[in-house]
This record gives sequence, structure tokens and C-alpha cells, in this order.
Amino acid sequence: LAKTTQPISMDSYEGQEVNITCSHNNIATNDYITWYQQFPSQGPRFIIQGYKTKVTNEVASLFIPADRKSSTLSLPRVSLSDTAVYYCLVGDTPGRLQAQLWSRNWSGGYQKVTFGIGTKLQVIP
Amino acid sequence: GAVVSQHPSRVICKSGTSVKIECRSLDFQATTMFWYRQFPKQSLMLMATSNEGSKATYEQGVEKDKFLINHASLTLSTLTVTSAHPEDSSFYICSARDKTGGAGSPLHFGNGTRLTVT
Repeated sequence: LAKTTQPISMDSYEGQEVNITCSHNNIATNDYITWYQQFPSQGPRFIIQGYKTKVTNEVASLFIPADRKSSTLSLPRVSLSDTAVYYCLVGDTPGRLQAQLWSRNWSGGYQKVTFGIGTKLQVIP
Repeated sequence: GAVVSQHPSRVICKSGTSVKIECRSLDFQATTMFWYRQFPKQSLMLMATSNEGSKATYEQGVEKDKFLINHASLTLSTLTVTSAHPEDSSFYICSARDKTGGAGSPLHFGNGTRLTVT
């Protein structure tokens, strides 16, 4: 059961780099790690996804150590508009998807994804 | 990029009435869509998995007769909150995954529906 654990909240000043770490000690071999961003009263938005090592896109970088038991989302030079909740999700993607349920019992299924509590990032001017 | 349109964005209804929320994938097809509910300052809670052409799979504790889900096509899923009560007031969000997406394909979310039952 790949439960994820993240800090509940973080504060950062504008222009700084922010690193949010997610623990997923029981990650399975087929599991991918995906990060989403959510603003108030909006649906989550995909940020980045990875399986191992480092992934970088125009928005963020994702660092995944060799044991894959954690991952770190890195946001370079944050601005006030980056104030949001960031969710780390773990789940396998190829073919039939297994699901991990946060604070629930494992039930498996096809392409179910459940969110953890997320990290509320507050960017300060 | 892939877009999921959710409608309406806000709805206010009287207690005892039913409300239908639509979730459409605009530029991709989705065999499976997901419905979530989110209370203030809380995370998303998965309610059910909507499967095209078959019955939805509900999470434990979610009443299937109260939250009717229909996934009639590869681009449309609907959630109907029947006989709504004030405690059903919440933020409802849908998501979908492109059926052609290979390994690593992410979820695409709608912008949510704020339901207020008076």
C-alpha cells in the first residue's frame, strides 16, 4: 500500500527555490510518481511525472532517488502565483492500474487514483 | 493539451431536488473517468470510478443510489446528486485519462462544480 506522506504546509519567499518532498516507502515496481497543483476552487493541474532519476519540464523538476522511496518536487524561483496545494500521487500506469487508497483499505481496480493531504505552499512577497 | 470541461461550475439548489453535473473530455477519449468530492481545506476524496459502457464502481461509504453516474460515451460522464441535502454541499471534481495514453499518462481534471444545497 503505497501511502504518500508530505509536509502539510510550507512557506517561501518570492524568487526562492522550493523543494517539496514526498515519502512513499511502499512504492511498487510499476508505480509512477505524479505531482499535481491545485488552486482554490479549481481542479488539480498536472505538473510533472517521473519513474526514476530526474525529470525536468518548463515548470518544475522532479528528483527521484535510486530506491524510489521518496521524491522531491523542485519549483525554481517561485512567485506569488505558485501559492497552491501540491499533491504527490503514486500509482502504476502501464496497462491495468493498481490503486492505492489514502487512509482506506486496498481494493485494487482499474485506474483509480486517490489523493493524499497535499502540501499547502504559501509564497510570501 | 488535453482539456476536461465540467459543467456547471456553480449550482445552488433546494433541498430535495436533483442536480446533474457533466464532465466532458474535449480533445481526447476517456474509457475511465473519476469523480471526487472535496470539502473546504481538505483533500480530494474519490467517490467513484466511471467506466464507459458499464456500471460505475463506488468507493466504500458512497451511496450509489444517491450519486448516480452515467458514462454514456468515451467523452462524457455525468454525476447526478439525487434528493440533495445541505450536507451534500461540496466541491465536486471529475478527472479523465486519455485512453490512448501510454505509460505515464497523467489525469486531466475539470475545474470543479461548487454545489450549494439550501
